[in-house]
Amino acid sequence: EDQVTQSPEALRLQEGESSSLNCSYTVSGLRGLFWYRQDPGKGPEFLFTLYSAGEEKEKERLKATLTKKESFLHITAPKPEDSATYLCAVQGGAQKLVFGQGTRLTINP
Amino acid sequence: GAGVSQTPSNKVTEKGKYVELRCDPISGHTALYWYRQSLGQGPEFLIYFQGTGAADDSGLPNDRFFAVRPEGSVSTLKIQRTERGDSAVYLCASSSITGPEQYFGPGTRLTVT
Repeated sequence: EDQVTQSPEALRLQEGESSSLNCSYTVSGLRGLFWYRQDPGKGPEFLFTLYSAGEEKEKERLKATLTKKESFLHITAPKPEDSATYLCAVQGGAQKLVFGQGTRLTINP
Repeated sequence: GAGVSQTPSNKVTEKGKYVELRCDPISGHTALYWYRQSLGQGPEFLIYFQGTGAADDSGLPNDRFFAVRPEGSVSTLKIQRTERGDSAVYLCASSSITGPEQYFGPGTRLTVT
């Protein structure tokens, strides 16, 4: 059974304080690992897809990396508007996404 | 509209009633998914449509839940004899044949009293 575990559950940072969010996964035949951002009361917003170990993707202050067992979402010099819940999901043999429980990120000004 | 839309945005119903939740996918997307999200948790898969047919309904919790997509575009999730445990946000997503990324709608918040 595909599984995703995210850590930490919640993270508070000061504006400009860089950090990383972790996503550990087990999957039969990884077809893709996905990162989403979710704001309160909204649906998840797509950020990145990673397909194979060693791959990296960047968007503004965010960089996602992938190994065979985990993915990291690095956030560099965050701003208050980066506050959100970040969700990690894997797609294995089936089309469905299996999500972790998310990391709730708060950036204090 | 360019994105996935869902109606209603909020639905309050009494225990035992029947509800229908609607999803309009991104135009041209052939795949459509339903997920359910409880407070503080990630979305959980319910059902996946490719075109008009349900290709994977393994996430439906029991036979009170049913979904249709008769013309391969709009989908309706139907819940019979609602229970308080059905209260959650129901999310719809769609994807195209050119990529695996699933794009989500804003969700329908269902509250069963």
